[in-house]
Amino acid sequence: GAGVSQTPSNKVTEKGKYVELRCDPISGHTALYWYRQSLGQGPEFLIYFQGTGAADDSGLPNDRFFAVRPEGSVSTLKIQRTERGDSAVYLCASSLRLAGPSNTGELFFGEGSRLTVL
Amino acid sequence: QKEVEQDPGPLSVPEGAIVSLNCTYSNSAFQYFMWYRQYSRKGPELLMYTYSSGNKEDGRFTAQVDKSSKYISLFIRDSQPSDSATYLCAMSAETSGSARQLTFGSGTQLTVLP
Repeated sequence: GAGVSQTPSNKVTEKGKYVELRCDPISGHTALYWYRQSLGQGPEFLIYFQGTGAADDSGLPNDRFFAVRPEGSVSTLKIQRTERGDSAVYLCASSLRLAGPSNTGELFFGEGSRLTVL
Repeated sequence: QKEVEQDPGPLSVPEGAIVSLNCTYSNSAFQYFMWYRQYSRKGPELLMYTYSSGNKEDGRFTAQVDKSSKYISLFIRDSQPSDSATYLCAMSAETSGSARQLTFGSGTQLTVLP
């Protein structure tokens, strides 16, 4: 399909393990975002890429979280030494480059990667 | 206090009812206001977008923004069972970059009963 693709859809891991979550954005979308959604909450911003570089990583909770987008397309969110509090749905979104207020800047979300840390 | 507060759910209404969903916010820099709809185990999808204050109508949906009160609303007319989902308000300030970082409300879960 032409939408945002995220893998894996579900990941169960043990406390202390390393996890990678992958996002394949819509072709041609230069902006890519990672959000985290806990149960019963709205998505919380983690990091935003414009091209290959992280334009804003102010939402990353600590240095156990890291994300890359080496070729300006696919992105990987990496979580080291996972903790039970990291359990959530990790959402990836992509959007076109904006050109003013008339552009909605719509974020197109994937279905998310559901992470469970035991 | 969160930057964006959303009326807690869950909300259950009969088919055909008018639904009102609301959010308040504290950041006066917010200028872009959106409503996203999220079905169970799916990603959010954009429903309505408004820049600055005013009303916007799209079919059965009307979005209202009152920046003076820092209050936004979404109205759904003639609600249908297919409208059953979680509704998330989202906002963004003007950015110097070319994309917007959204701040979401916690969501209101709506069920429309047949």
